[in-house]
Amino acid sequence: DTEVTQTPKHLVMGMTNKKSLKCEQHMGHRAMYWYKQKAKKPPELMFVYSYEKLSINESVPSRFSPECPNSSLLNLHLHALQPEDSALYLCASSQGDAANEKLFFGSGTQLSVL
Amino acid sequence: RKEVEQDPGPFNVPEGATVAFNCTYSNSASQSFFWYRQDCRKEPKLLMSVYSSGNEDGRFTAQLNRASQYISLLIRDSKLSDSATYLCVVNPSWGKLQFGAGTQVVVTP
Repeated sequence: DTEVTQTPKHLVMGMTNKKSLKCEQHMGHRAMYWYKQKAKKPPELMFVYSYEKLSINESVPSRFSPECPNSSLLNLHLHALQPEDSALYLCASSQGDAANEKLFFGSGTQLSVL
Repeated sequence: RKEVEQDPGPFNVPEGATVAFNCTYSNSASQSFFWYRQDCRKEPKLLMSVYSSGNEDGRFTAQLNRASQYISLLIRDSKLSDSATYLCVVNPSWGKLQFGAGTQVVVTP
């Protein structure tokens, strides 16, 4: 059972919609991540938050907007997405910022953009 | 050249057999290495961490060869439940984990 909770599990949205993905962890982890994964491809890093501050943005289009309200929560706000944005969106957390940190993934949100 | 390379497979393995596959990485400064397993449409789950020369956990053995820059994963006595994609993950520095594309393993009855 994952200790990183993501909602919703599935989301279908139109290109003009605004929606949000939510992620929560209660392990006291100080780093949280958003990844995007297409079928049969590895996860691609989108954003990293460390101690509630955005530390890495992998040149993600502005139609994806991350937010970290507190150390346990991470949101991803979606607006004006394209069909090619359809993918599995994974949230992850790690205990700290050391190079040997393990990632704990949530079960993901399967997003379909119509 | 990709930073982390894996044979995509599939490796078709009879139940009870042993299977092994490698992952090569390009950054010689890489400090930590992980194997994750991922089932179809599910999240990756940590299988093993590899910090020194190797690690063993039950039927699973991971080995690190720094000179040749690869890590391997060996699965003994394969079970049907071992069918999954195995992702090699390399961490040269914090926050920038490098994922391999995965090796698919199919265990057959």
